[in-house]
Amino acid sequence: DGGITQSPKYLFRKEGQNVTLSCEQNLNHDAMYWYRQDPGQGLRLIYYSQIVNDFQKGDIAEGYSVSREKKESFPLTVTSAQKNPTAFYLCASSTPGIPRTQYFGPGTRLLVL
Amino acid sequence: AQSVTQLDSQVPVFEEAPVELRCNYSSSVSVYLFWYVQYPNQGLQLLLKYLSGSTLVKGINGFEAEFNKSQTSFHLRKPSVHISDTAEYFCAVKQAAGNKLTFGGGTRVLVKP
Repeated sequence: DGGITQSPKYLFRKEGQNVTLSCEQNLNHDAMYWYRQDPGQGLRLIYYSQIVNDFQKGDIAEGYSVSREKKESFPLTVTSAQKNPTAFYLCASSTPGIPRTQYFGPGTRLLVL
Repeated sequence: AQSVTQLDSQVPVFEEAPVELRCNYSSSVSVYLFWYVQYPNQGLQLLLKYLSGSTLVKGINGFEAEFNKSQTSFHLRKPSVHISDTAEYFCAVKQAAGNKLTFGGGTRVLVKP
């Protein structure tokens, strides 16, 4: 089955620790995205990547980093510089052509210990 | 820059009653419009999208939406809801020439028996 997988489903971070969230897709999509979702709010874009080895900052990139070494994978690292990391993180990828329709993974919930 | 406003943060509705979720957007250029649904602790699922052509768009699960360019609205409707429609619904807009998807704050629908 084609789709987007995110792991782990829940992740706990200790003070000062970097953590990495995984996102993998087998849809052959070129573009991938990371969003943050806080309770009662919409989704805010953290980073996106249109092709391998290229990515751009979204609206709230501070305290996060990404890499795009493979088309299928777009991991997100939440660094210790992100002072309020507790949120639900959603990865998406989009179809080629016009428009690029985004499809989402199941999400990772990050909690701070 | 574009923005999206979902006018109702919560909508309680009785089972088998109709529901309408309101979405207004602002953009100085042509846009594509989307509605997504999010069930608890899950990712977003695409309900429907408006690209061009007929202003009435039909989606999955019996939902439909109407694009109104003069009122810059894209309201979502379902004539008869089920308990299983209890979820959060997000309206999103993408500029025709851009890469970013901008989301509204979401509308939480609670279907009561």
